[in-house]
Amino acid sequence: AQSVTQPDIHITVSEGASLELRCNYSYGATPYLFWYVQSPGQGLQLLLKYFSGDTLVQGIKGFEAEFKRSQSSFNLRKPSVHWSDAAEYFCAVGAKGYSTLTFGKGTMLLVSP
Amino acid sequence: DAGVTQSPTHLIKTRGQQVTLRCSPISGHKSVSWYQQVLGQGPQFIFQYYEKEERGRGNFPDRFSARQFPNYSSELNVNALLLGDSALYLCASSLEVVGGTEAFFGQGTRLTVV
Repeated sequence: AQSVTQPDIHITVSEGASLELRCNYSYGATPYLFWYVQSPGQGLQLLLKYFSGDTLVQGIKGFEAEFKRSQSSFNLRKPSVHWSDAAEYFCAVGAKGYSTLTFGKGTMLLVSP
Repeated sequence: DAGVTQSPTHLIKTRGQQVTLRCSPISGHKSVSWYQQVLGQGPQFIFQYYEKEERGRGNFPDRFSARQFPNYSSELNVNALLLGDSALYLCASSLEVVGGTEAFFGQGTRLTVV
């Protein structure tokens, strides 16, 4: 069965500092990987996705993520965090032809002044 | 273009009652999926419909049911509500079966069972 682990429940980063959110997955087939962001009481917004090809993918709002098959990881990064980035971030895994997206439990990002 | 729309946005129900949640996908999208997000957790898959047929079902009791209409909109029904059904219910639409293409989520319906 597929699973996603986001080991950090909360992360606090100073505004302007760099950010890395960790995601590890377990999946038998070639995974499709996603990062979503959720503001309080809101739905999920897709930040970026990896289907195949270049393992470094660029997303919206200055985010990027790197797929490392050998480590089963898909970490999210941003070089300089803005206060508006404070939200909850979810990593998810899926596959072509399968109906389910499996989400991690999320990482809450707090941005300090 | 309108995104995924869900109604109502908030709902309060009593234990034992029944509830119907509605979702309209993005125009042109034929796949609709439903997820339950309990406070402090990631979304959990409930159902997926594609071209009006059920394509997947998560580990939820039979009290949960869904359907998709010819215009690709969808309803999620929950019978005999329990306190534990209190959650944010998210609808996602995509061009194909979720996982093969990106899924776009609505703002959700916040269900509170008292």
